[in-house]
Amino acid sequence: GAGVSQSPSNKVTEKGKDVELRCDPISGHTALYWYRQSLGQGLEFLIYFQGNSAPDKSGLPSDRFSAERTGGSVSTLTIQRTQQEDSAVYLCASSLVDYSNEQFFGPGTRLTVL
Amino acid sequence: AQSVTQLDSHVSVSEGTPVLLRCNYSSSYSPSLFWYVQHPNKGLQLLLKYTSAATLVKGINGFEAEFKKSETSFHLTKPSAHMSDAAEYFCVVSDERGSSNTGKLIFGQGTTLQVKP
Repeated sequence: GAGVSQSPSNKVTEKGKDVELRCDPISGHTALYWYRQSLGQGLEFLIYFQGNSAPDKSGLPSDRFSAERTGGSVSTLTIQRTQQEDSAVYLCASSLVDYSNEQFFGPGTRLTVL
Repeated sequence: AQSVTQLDSHVSVSEGTPVLLRCNYSSSYSPSLFWYVQHPNKGLQLLLKYTSAATLVKGINGFEAEFKKSETSFHLTKPSAHMSDAAEYFCVVSDERGSSNTGKLIFGQGTTLQVKP
């Protein structure tokens, strides 16, 4: 069966440009999470979706970061006016609604801001 | 607030010898704890999870972990290391704040396991 997929796998952009990262969760998973993995900060939570709503956005590092989810499925993470410190691997995970359930992770999008 | 501390950033063992990766947690609630593994250029994979059932949890690939509330520990062990076990291991706690559980994961800093032939 299909797992969590993310696109693109790699993205190189210039400082100041906007980027969009996409996540396709496992079908039927109502919970969706974005995390960021960087050398200096390790793995950190960004945002949580339950269905199409985002009850927890506490991990978004600045107002340049936003995310949406449509149809209870695909999610897009948008970073506006990218900065070099945004360079990281952005990971998406999905799970069934129960908090103790396993989160299944996608392969990530490696973002490099020049 | 919940947190996890992985006590070793790097562990090196010889193939066939035991593995011990140490993790301490901090939580005001009864925590859900996990170990995830990340092989080079691969995604995160769940090894095992503890959710207040048996304190000794068995996972995939021969790994197991024991939840010790008195020591606030959740160490990962394996009796005999294999070359394929070389990877980054993350101890993780699930954020639980009463009725507003989001299930977001809080990761430790990771332990790199090196397995020498």
